[in-house]
Amino acid sequence: EPEVTQTPSHQVTQMGQEVILRCVPISNHLYFYWYRQILGQKVEFLVSFYNNEISEKSEIFDDQFSVERPDGSNFTLKIRSTKLEDSAMYFCASSDLRDYEQYFGPGTRLTVT
Amino acid sequence: EDKVVQSPLSLVVHEGDTVTLNCSYEVTNFRSLLWYKQEKKAPTFLFMLTSSGIEKKSGRLSSILDKKELFSILNITATQTGDSAIYLCAPGPENSGGSNYKLTFGKGTLLTVNP
Repeated sequence: EPEVTQTPSHQVTQMGQEVILRCVPISNHLYFYWYRQILGQKVEFLVSFYNNEISEKSEIFDDQFSVERPDGSNFTLKIRSTKLEDSAMYFCASSDLRDYEQYFGPGTRLTVT
Repeated sequence: EDKVVQSPLSLVVHEGDTVTLNCSYEVTNFRSLLWYKQEKKAPTFLFMLTSSGIEKKSGRLSSILDKKELFSILNITATQTGDSAIYLCAPGPENSGGSNYKLTFGKGTLLTVNP
């Protein structure tokens, strides 16, 4: 069964460093999303992406964040200068034109020290 | 902004028990309600509900929606240890076809099923 994949599974970085989290959505899906979950808190929407542009973003998704679809398969989330409070699990999700279900990847645990 | 409140926040039961999880929501324009299960990592889809009073079933899990009271419940009968997870609900998109929408999850209910 097709699935969303994410790399790395765990990333440790120092405050102020840039990180890129990578996702490979399901191949025929056209809508892409990033969510995050701080430990012990709820899953929060960050951004949605369609047709090579951001469709919607949350207040969390400030100028430090950016997304890109650099080629036909990858979808990336970049955090330009990480802060301690960026430590969280980051989930990528995708959905297609005909379906309502969002398929989530296994997540990348980001730890900022 | 959609608001979702789930209760209880956590629940501990024994195998074989039946549980009822609650989800109340406030949305400006109701479209649908989705239930997800989150085990160790990513949420996985369970149900989508669009019509009031219609029960959706999948094995031991069932869910029903009350659009008038802005409320949904998820029932799990004859619980098993494998049902231990966080159960999340979120307002969802229109039923007709896919669309680009954000999921606003509640805090979820942490269900622990002990042997």
